[in-house]
Amino acid sequence: KNEVEQSPQNLTAQEGEFITINCSYSVGISALHWLQQHPGGGIVSLFMLSSGKKKHGRLIATINIQEKHSSLHITASHPRDSAVYICAVGGEGSNYKLTFGKGTLLTVNP
Amino acid sequence: DTAVSQTPKYLVTQMGNDKSIKCEQNLGHDTMYWYKQDSKKFLKIMFSYNNKELIINETVPNRFSPKSPDKAHLNLHINSLELGDSAVYFCASSRSSQVLYEQYFGPGTRLTVT
Repeated sequence: KNEVEQSPQNLTAQEGEFITINCSYSVGISALHWLQQHPGGGIVSLFMLSSGKKKHGRLIATINIQEKHSSLHITASHPRDSAVYICAVGGEGSNYKLTFGKGTLLTVNP
Repeated sequence: DTAVSQTPKYLVTQMGNDKSIKCEQNLGHDTMYWYKQDSKKFLKIMFSYNNKELIINETVPNRFSPKSPDKAHLNLHINSLELGDSAVYFCASSRSSQVLYEQYFGPGTRLTVT
């Protein structure tokens, strides 16, 4: 069973700050997903990574397969980035199921 | 056009009742999922269907029964509702059952059992 740990659990930042959210997992994976859940409740997929790095606008996601670790970075943070960010992994042995972290609540103050 | 839709958005009911939640996707995806999000916001897979075939059935009470009449629809029927069933239920879809594919989530159904 893959354990997924996210840190920090809660993060408060000032507008414009650089944000980093971390995700660690315990066993080998096929893919890692970063999701965003807004205060209204909707969930949106941000990235799917199996190696390296991806960038979309102000968001950057990286993964280190050897260290079993991924980071989500937000540059020039804005209050609209306030949300819960969730890491989810799909294990090597089972290609169908995602295991989720408990999420990181990000609050960006103006 | 809404990609993944769920009905109802809110559902308040009493213990012991039977209720259904419906999900539809218009993305042409092969795979659909039901997730449960508890009060601590923790997401957990319940079921997954690929081309109408059940491929994931987690340790869920058998009071929960999914049904997929076609690739675009996945419904969740819950019998004899209990207080602990109160949660937000999310439907999702993806192009394939492989975890390498992005999942698209519905807006969620908030179920409250009183």
